[in-house]
Amino acid sequence: GDSVTQMEGPVTLSEEAFLTINCTYTATGYPSLFWYVQYPGEGLQLLLKATKADDKGSNKGFEATYRKETTSFHLEKGSVQVSDSAVYFCAPGGNEKLTFGTGTRLTIIP
Amino acid sequence: EPEVTQTPSHQVTQMGQEVILRCVPISNHLYFYWYRQILGQKVEFLVSFYNNEISEKSEIFDDQFSVERPDGSNFTLKIRSTKLEDSAMYFCASRATSGSASDTQYFGPGTRLTVL
Repeated sequence: GDSVTQMEGPVTLSEEAFLTINCTYTATGYPSLFWYVQYPGEGLQLLLKATKADDKGSNKGFEATYRKETTSFHLEKGSVQVSDSAVYFCAPGGNEKLTFGTGTRLTIIP
Repeated sequence: EPEVTQTPSHQVTQMGQEVILRCVPISNHLYFYWYRQILGQKVEFLVSFYNNEISEKSEIFDDQFSVERPDGSNFTLKIRSTKLEDSAMYFCASRATSGSASDTQYFGPGTRLTVL
């Protein structure tokens, strides 16, 4: 089955720092790739997605590129804000089940 | 913007009791899912449902669990005899059948189940 290896947390950064959260996956075929975010006390929200190789998903200043050759989908943001503090989940899948990584807890310090 | 809703937000029950968790998927979606997240752990797939039958289920989804679409709007997860280890946040999700977002699952806010 599918599996995901996600950067271990927690990650603590200062406001305006550059963020990278690594994600690599194994999957059958070429699934869509997703990043979901879970803000404190809330459910899972779709952050961004990419559906095929070399696609770049982007939202709220976050970006991730579907790299088929390295089976990776790393999340990046150039300048993080305190409001970005949350848990971030990488997940291949889509049409059937999503397989979630362990999640990376991100804390941004003012 | 349409969203998935779940009730209750928090359910406390005694071990051995039956619980039903309710979800209202986005109205034109026909694929439905349940996931759970034990505190501090990753989100795990339980079951997917389409056309009034289970499409796929995980090892977690044993015969103590069942799902149902009792009417045109609700999707429920029943746990017949709860165990302590069923304590978790349960998320419902739904997905469209066509369009550019047809590969995207949209999640509800979750129901926190506490088994005492």
